[in-house]
Amino acid sequence: TQLLEQSPQFLSIQEGENLTVYCNSSSVFSSLQWYRQEPGEGPVLLVTVVTGGEVKKLKRLTFQFGDARKDSSLHITAAQPGDTGLYLCAGPSQGGSEKLVFGKGTKLTVNP
Amino acid sequence: DAGVIQSPRHEVTEMGQEVTLRCKPISGHNSLFWYRQTMMRGLELLIYFNNNVPIDDSGMPEDRFSAKMPNASFSTLKIQPSEPRDSAVYFCASSLGGYRRRQPQHFGDGTRLSIL
Repeated sequence: TQLLEQSPQFLSIQEGENLTVYCNSSSVFSSLQWYRQEPGEGPVLLVTVVTGGEVKKLKRLTFQFGDARKDSSLHITAAQPGDTGLYLCAGPSQGGSEKLVFGKGTKLTVNP
Repeated sequence: DAGVIQSPRHEVTEMGQEVTLRCKPISGHNSLFWYRQTMMRGLELLIYFNNNVPIDDSGMPEDRFSAKMPNASFSTLKIQPSEPRDSAVYFCASSLGGYRRRQPQHFGDGTRLSIL
């Protein structure tokens, strides 16, 4: 069974700080996605990383896919209260189906 | 454009009652997914449809759960009889062609279900 382990589970920081959250697996994934979920809403896709070693930037967010395609990281520079939310990583289930496997997420709180 | 629409947003009912959750996917999307989210287990896929046909229901917890997609614009998830352990947030998502095409899944805002 493919599992995606996310760490840390909870993170509370002050506005302006930098942070990194991680998504790890013992399995190889063809690609990984990162979603952000705000309270009372559904997850929203931020990015898809496809190639081992790939780095994608979305404003202050930097996403990296590990060389072996077993892990990914999300780095936020100068965090703002608007970055508060649950960050989820997801990857395709084995067997080529449409199914996504989700990690349990990192709950980020950025305090003003 | 309207996103994925789920109803009701909140449902509180007593154990043993039938619960029906509804979902309207984004027009033109041909894949629809039902998820359940809890603190303990995170976001779990229950079932997904492609072109209104159920493709994989291996995540459906037991026979008390059933899902239908009678047409491209409507799906239901039914629990009968409901139990307290079914309490969770249920999400519906839709996409164009599913993950193979690397199309994003668009989620609704969920139904928060509480079974007393």
